[in-house]
Amino acid sequence: NAGVTQTPKFQVLKTGQSMTLQCAQDMNHEYMSWYRQDPGMGLRLIHYSVGAGITDQGEVPNGYNVSRSTTEDFPLRLLSAAPSQTSVYFCASRSTGARTGELFFGEGSRLTVL
Amino acid sequence: GENVEQHPSTLSVQEGDSAVIKCTYSDSASNYFPWYKQELGKRPQLIIDIRSNVGEKKDQRIAVTLNKTAKHFSLHITETQPEDSAVYFCAASPDRGSTLGRLYFGRGTQLTVWP
Repeated sequence: NAGVTQTPKFQVLKTGQSMTLQCAQDMNHEYMSWYRQDPGMGLRLIHYSVGAGITDQGEVPNGYNVSRSTTEDFPLRLLSAAPSQTSVYFCASRSTGARTGELFFGEGSRLTVL
Repeated sequence: GENVEQHPSTLSVQEGDSAVIKCTYSDSASNYFPWYKQELGKRPQLIIDIRSNVGEKKDQRIAVTLNKTAKHFSLHITETQPEDSAVYFCAASPDRGSTLGRLYFGRGTQLTVWP
């Protein structure tokens, strides 16, 4: 199993550009989520999904869109990038067999917005 | 929503000494408390977790304690080694309400173990 795969690993954008961070998992996990990590701020939840067709907002959803058309994929879209969105982004998934459990993280995507 | 506070933000210890990291949480509905370790440039990985029906859990040199009444939990690392150097995150997850299943992280503790 590859686990959780994120692409791209690095990206530089100009203010106002749009892009999509891809996330795929092959563990048949129903729960998928996106976090951003900023120095001294920990990991903050952007959006999450408990299954195909179901998404919800986390702590810092503004400026980001998500969709969940399949169990495997959970892309994160930045519609109009801003310098404040410079960060490291992590996709994570877990089984929903229990209400809580281990989160499996991707390797991260480092995004710089100029 | 849940608010998780973590202290200290940085911690330096000599190899062989013990390290303790403390976290508090605000939501009484939280009942799952994992700890993640993130080495430099790597992804966070679960090292230990505890549920609210247990007061203490141990795995070799790592232990976690939970005080639900006081809403705080701690990570204890004994006989520290240089490879324990990393950022450690605590987290809490409610098991009911509108935030069911969400994982809220503390801001992290940079642990440095000096040889």
